[in-house]
Amino acid sequence: ILNVEQSPQSLHVQEGDSTNFTCSFPSSNFYALHWYRWETAKSPEALFVMTLNGDEKKKGRISATLNTKEGYSYLYIKGSQPEDSATYLCAPNTGNQFYFGTGTSLTVIP
Amino acid sequence: DTEVTQTPKHLVMGMTNKKSLKCEQHMGHRAMYWYKQKAKKPPELMFVYSYEKLSINESVPSRFSPECPNSSLLNLHLHALQPEDSALYLCASSQDPGGRYEQYFGPGTRLTVT
Repeated sequence: ILNVEQSPQSLHVQEGDSTNFTCSFPSSNFYALHWYRWETAKSPEALFVMTLNGDEKKKGRISATLNTKEGYSYLYIKGSQPEDSATYLCAPNTGNQFYFGTGTSLTVIP
Repeated sequence: DTEVTQTPKHLVMGMTNKKSLKCEQHMGHRAMYWYKQKAKKPPELMFVYSYEKLSINESVPSRFSPECPNSSLLNLHLHALQPEDSALYLCASSQDPGGRYEQYFGPGTRLTVT
């Protein structure tokens, strides 16, 4: 079992604010890091899959970075919108198994 | 079609019942997964099927029995469950089991064991 920590557990921000969350994981046996967004009453949706140290990925206002040597990834949301409200889960993969973090619950207040 | 479907959406069963959950994808994915998710906890991996063969069983009790009849279909057979098995059961698929490809999740089956 991999110890995956996400912080903060929850976050409330005003519309237009930028925000970021952290995912920490053991750096040994690392293969890939996935980020998912999970809106209430919907299926988890993949945001990014990252594999290389120093990777940076971007999708619209959302971006992520990866540091495999120290075992962390940051997810950034620029100019948060109410539709960004969701739980954001990270899931390191060791080559065949996924270990999900407990997630960061984001609420964007209009 | 990038959809993973799961049926039923909700299931209530007694501890002596036998029921099955069904998951289907038509994306040609060769890896399929079952997860269990309890409230306020992360999804926990239960089983992984790789090219229609069971590759990972995360010490799941035998009252849960997975089956992969073909590359598009994944079942989870339930028998003699306990109330603590009540949870959201999520199915997912990915292009291959290696972890480099995103998982596509179904909407889940909300299971209540009475």
